[in-house]
Amino acid sequence: NAGVTQTPKFQVLKTGQSMTLQCAQDMNHEYMSWYRQDPGMGLRLIHYSVGAGITDQGEVPNGYNVSRSTTEDFPLRLLSAAPSQTSVYFCASRRGRRETQYFGPGTRLLVL
Amino acid sequence: KNEVEQSPQNLTAQEGEFITINCSYSVGISALHWLQQHPGGGIVSLFMLSSGKKKHGRLIATINIQEKHSSLHITASHPRDSAVYICASYSQGGSEKLVFGKGTKLTVNP
Repeated sequence: NAGVTQTPKFQVLKTGQSMTLQCAQDMNHEYMSWYRQDPGMGLRLIHYSVGAGITDQGEVPNGYNVSRSTTEDFPLRLLSAAPSQTSVYFCASRRGRRETQYFGPGTRLLVL
Repeated sequence: KNEVEQSPQNLTAQEGEFITINCSYSVGISALHWLQQHPGGGIVSLFMLSSGKKKHGRLIATINIQEKHSSLHITASHPRDSAVYICASYSQGGSEKLVFGKGTKLTVNP
């Protein structure tokens, strides 16, 4: 199993550009989440999904969209990038409500 | 106020020392996670527990539900244990949303 994969590993954007961060898992996990990690802030939940076709907002959803058309994939879309979205983004998945969470390697995003 | 508080923020130890990292949470939970973030940035899950104690190798995690407190212990610490340790709980009883502490940076010197 590849586990949780994320692409790209690193991206530089200009303010106003849009892009999609990809996340995929091959463990048939129902639950998937996107987090951002900023210095001194800890991990914060952006959006999450409890199954294909079901998504919900987390703590910091503004400026991001998600969709879950398949169990495997959970892309995160930045609609119009802003410098405040400079961060490290982690995707995670788990099998069920109170199960071990598996993290992807992260995407480092710099918005100029 | 963050619902999950960790202490200390930073911890430096000598190889072989016994390490304790503390986590306090402000809402009732059904499970609490301990994670390890390597210097390279990768995050791995160490434990998920809802009561009592769990042990894996030199790592031990305990939780006291009444006091809303959990501890992570490392016995016979080693430089390879140097990492950031993060605890996380669910924001409220039925929530799917994990709330994370800000992490404890552990440095173990040889």
